[in-house]
Amino acid sequence: NAGVMQNPRHLVRRRGQEARLRCSPMKGHSHVYWYRQLPEEGLKFMVYLQKENIIDESGMPKERFSAEFPKEGPSILRIQQVVRGDSAAYFCASSPPISPNVLTFGAGSRLTVL
Amino acid sequence: GQQLNQSPQSMFIQEGEDVSMNCTSSSIFNTWLWYKQDPGEGPVLLIALYKAGELTSNGRLTAQFGITRKDSFLNISASIPSDVGIYFCAGQLADGGSQGNLIFGKGTKLSVKP
Repeated sequence: NAGVMQNPRHLVRRRGQEARLRCSPMKGHSHVYWYRQLPEEGLKFMVYLQKENIIDESGMPKERFSAEFPKEGPSILRIQQVVRGDSAAYFCASSPPISPNVLTFGAGSRLTVL
Repeated sequence: GQQLNQSPQSMFIQEGEDVSMNCTSSSIFNTWLWYKQDPGEGPVLLIALYKAGELTSNGRLTAQFGITRKDSFLNISASIPSDVGIYFCAGQLADGGSQGNLIFGKGTKLSVKP
């Protein structure tokens, strides 16, 4: 029973490059969330998606960040033209329909921007 | 933005001691969750609370949802070395925010001396 799978676990990019982070939810979970964690901080909500739908993107920066959860395949968080301030741990979580606030988190993807 | 005040920020305790940490807010919450995060990993759910006044245990852990719905505490009894980690409270605001849009505290870092 695999949990929430995220890859890559570590990603290094130079300023101006693109970063793509992938997330496969737990089996039976249809809701996917992305959170960002800066060092020594708590997690901050970014976006909530269901298949082919963005439900709540109130925590997403207005520019350069986008997320999708296609009908087939993993959810993708894309950061275009990365800057040093994008360096952080990005966590994906999923939840089942009956307990939508009980999030199960993946191990995270750690982005370092040089 | 909305904030959860989590305290203490860090704790150094002797193995076998009891631990108490709490989160407070000026806002009302529908759900309180307590997570533990180990270095380099994602948060793992410890306890979920859904109703004001609810008291729930999970082994040596006990958590309560405050009557005012603005606070929660987590107690760990008879601490052991593997309790080391960062403990986060998280909640869903009663007013605003979609499901899964959780507000996280900044964490309590627990160190246990054998």
